Amino acid sequence: DSGVTQTPKHLITATGQRVTLRCSPRSGDLSVYWYQQSLDQGLQFLIQYYNGEERAKGNILERFSAQQFPDLHSELNLSSLELGDSALYFCASSPDAPDTQYFGPGTRLTVL
Amino acid sequence: GENVEQHPSTLSVQEGDSAVIKCTYSDSASNYFPWYKQELGKGPQLIIDIRSNVGEKKDQRIAVTLNKTAKHFSLHITETQPEDSAVYFCAAKMDTGRRALTFGSGTRLQVQP
Repeated sequence: DSGVTQTPKHLITATGQRVTLRCSPRSGDLSVYWYQQSLDQGLQFLIQYYNGEERAKGNILERFSAQQFPDLHSELNLSSLELGDSALYFCASSPDAPDTQYFGPGTRLTVL
Repeated sequence: GENVEQHPSTLSVQEGDSAVIKCTYSDSASNYFPWYKQELGKGPQLIIDIRSNVGEKKDQRIAVTLNKTAKHFSLHITETQPEDSAVYFCAAKMDTGRRALTFGSGTRLQVQP
């Protein structure tokens, strides 16, 4: 158990819908990262937050957004969902230094 | 940006044999190289990491080597056991700028009892 929690574990929804994925980092970790894992794209970095502020962006679509709240939990919002958004979404957390990132168990999103 | 290539994509070994997985990276500014193990239905679990000021690191049956000149690093698992069966990912990260990990495409390791 990494100490990172993610909810829900599974999510099934329809195209065009909007969903919110939630992540609670390890106690004391200020950074939260979101990654998408799909069969054809592997593990892809989406976005990073540090202590409530966006720090880096990766291959995140404009339909996706995220935020980190004062209690350091983070939410990833996915809207206008398409079939191709079906994937595993992982959250990872780390202290500002060192570099080690600890991953949560993931949320499996299925868009029908 | 950084690009990480990982080989082989699948690896089958007999229990007790050694397994080696290799990765190359493109950006010489990368200085942190972790390895993750992902079991079915679970998130990636960090198993070992190495920083660019170190050439080799060992933790029991697992070791990682880094060749900065050639820009490649490898994972070595000795005395493999069936519970080592999983997908292994290498990754690379720069200390400055974007601090996210760039992952390799993964190696599915199967240890035959």
